[in-house]
Amino acid sequence: GENVEQHPSTLSVQEGDSAVIKCTYSDSASNYFPWYKQELGKRPQLIIDIRSNVGEKKDQRIAVTLNKTAKHFSLHITETQPEDSAVYFCAASQLEGQNFVFGPGTRLSVLP
Amino acid sequence: EADIYQTPRYLVIGTGKKITLECSQTMGHDKMYWYQQDPGMELHLIHYSYGVNSTEKGDLSSESTVSRIRTEHFPLTLESARPSHTSQYLCASRSGSAYEQYFGPGTRLTVT
Repeated sequence: GENVEQHPSTLSVQEGDSAVIKCTYSDSASNYFPWYKQELGKRPQLIIDIRSNVGEKKDQRIAVTLNKTAKHFSLHITETQPEDSAVYFCAASQLEGQNFVFGPGTRLSVLP
Repeated sequence: EADIYQTPRYLVIGTGKKITLECSQTMGHDKMYWYQQDPGMELHLIHYSYGVNSTEKGDLSSESTVSRIRTEHFPLTLESARPSHTSQYLCASRSGSAYEQYFGPGTRLTVT
């Protein structure tokens, strides 16, 4: 079955710097890769996702890149702000029916 | 408004009690999930359902049970609560024809 690893487990950056979180997956059949942000005491919320037919997707300050050959995908946050502080989870799935397999999470702290 | 609802949001209960955590969604989703999560930590899938009268156990062994008699409703029951059940329980749902998975607000359970 699918296995998703995520690094780093914790990340501290200065406000205004960039943050990068990387995930690797094991099942080459996976073709949908969402990223969730969970603020303290809140539910996980989808912030961006990518399908295997594209290599990069961007939405304002966040972007996700996918390398199917190496089976890894990364979340990039530019110009970080204190409100970006949260736990971020990556996941992998097949579009048709398979359950999500989540990574263990990365706790991002943006220091003022 | 289409959403996922969970009740109660917080529950403190004594050891040995039977409890049911409620989850309802108004999005017409076929697939529903229960995750167990200690605050800010990994998401562990404990049960899932692909439709009415379909229930399966997830990756994490759990002493809870679920039922899916109606599409919109996916309750989780603990027959005899123990302190080891203290955690947050997140319900989620996903359309069979779409990719995104949405989470409910969670139930924070404390067993004394």
